[in-house]
Amino acid sequence: DAGVIQSPRHEVTEMGQEVTLRCKPISGHDYLFWYRQTMMRGLELLIYFNNNVPIDDSGMPEDRFSAKMPNASFSTLKIQPSEPRDSAVYFCASSFSIYGYTFGSGTRLTVV
Amino acid sequence: AQSVTQLDSQVPVFEEAPVELRCNYSSSVSVYLFWYVQYPNQGLQLLLKYLSGSTLVKGINGFEAEFNKSQTSFHLRKPSVHISDTAEYFCAVSEPDSGNTPLVFGKGTRLSVIA
Repeated sequence: DAGVIQSPRHEVTEMGQEVTLRCKPISGHDYLFWYRQTMMRGLELLIYFNNNVPIDDSGMPEDRFSAKMPNASFSTLKIQPSEPRDSAVYFCASSFSIYGYTFGSGTRLTVV
Repeated sequence: AQSVTQLDSQVPVFEEAPVELRCNYSSSVSVYLFWYVQYPNQGLQLLLKYLSGSTLVKGINGFEAEFNKSQTSFHLRKPSVHISDTAEYFCAVSEPDSGNTPLVFGKGTRLSVIA
């Protein structure tokens, strides 16, 4: 099992550009979570899915953020347009039950 | 709603000394409790979890934690730390009787082991 795979590992983009972060969960897991980690706010839950359906997106900071899960093996988190304050490490995690999280290695996003 | 407080943001400790990382939670119902570790430039990994049964839970890398319901605590301990234990540690809580709600994480404690 390759674990939760996130891409890219690092992303540097200019303010105003669209950014797409990708996640491949572990096969058979039915929950998928997107988190954002910053020094100031710690680990924040942005959105999570159950069986590809978004359950709670109340953590998504603004309309600039959107997430999709078109199938059980792929999810994206998109920021359009990006801003410097979006700079953070974004983690994807998947789980067979609501409790057994496996985290990916994260995407470090820098918006300049 | 549940919340988690990790009382120490940073804990420096000498190699081979014991360490305790403190975690308190706020919940009026039954809880599941977790400790995760994050090494530099990596994602979080599960160290141990308490779901039910014995209040003393043993995890990987020699760590253990004790669930104390009366004090609403779940402190993490290791009798002798190694340099390789330097990392950030996160406590997390969930309320299983409140439906399938995600884990709520504390802000983390950075453990620095000094040679």
